[in-house]
Amino acid sequence: QVQLVQSGAEVKKPGASVKVSCKASGYTFTSYGISWVRQAPGQGLEWMGWISAYNGNTNYAQKLQGRVTMTTDTSTSTAYMELRSLRSDDTAVYYCARASGWNYNWFDPWGQGTLVTVSS
Amino acid sequence: QSALTQPPSASGSPGQSVTISCTGTSSDVGGYNYVSWYQQHPGKAPKLMIYEVSKRPSGVPDRFSGSKSGNTASLTVSGLQAEDEADYYCSSYAGSNNFFYVFGTGTKVTVL
Repeated sequence: QVQLVQSGAEVKKPGASVKVSCKASGYTFTSYGISWVRQAPGQGLEWMGWISAYNGNTNYAQKLQGRVTMTTDTSTSTAYMELRSLRSDDTAVYYCARASGWNYNWFDPWGQGTLVTVSS
Repeated sequence: QSALTQPPSASGSPGQSVTISCTGTSSDVGGYNYVSWYQQHPGKAPKLMIYEVSKRPSGVPDRFSGSKSGNTASLTVSGLQAEDEADYYCSSYAGSNNFFYVFGTGTKVTVL
């Protein structure tokens, strides 16, 4: 079955970087995109961006431009999301999701989530 | 880009129907037929329930349906069941300038 498995929880200090991985299985990795979505504690969902696993093209949310980089390793069917210059308000659960349709407009399935805690 | 507006809560008794609205603008919901809906149980990852306004993925019960009128999209859950109690989020494509997406504020559905 289609499955996305993410790396484990991280604790980082303000100003550091974090890199979350998302390993896909059960489908042809390069036929879809990967979107990243985060959810701060008790808050709603926030779209961060997507990457085409076919050609590596990316689109990032404007507010994260310059701090986020999304990449893929097609040899291992793994996507990565790196967020730099971490702040306390980056504390959230980070989800990857397979992105489908025109301009990758729907997300299914989702990974289990990775909690990133930013604290001094 | 502001989040799409959803009511904070909705409720219904088992067997009844509940409809959740998702209001945006002509730059997102009203401008494109790329609205999707996600169900999230506490502590779990979201699950796709509806995509491209009204299409239902395989495995999602036909009790779930989606529609759109103008700048407002709606998700209707008919024949409410206990397992439908969850948070629901809409999402919409939000324009070609940045090819980005915006989520709704979320609605907590309670089965009475």
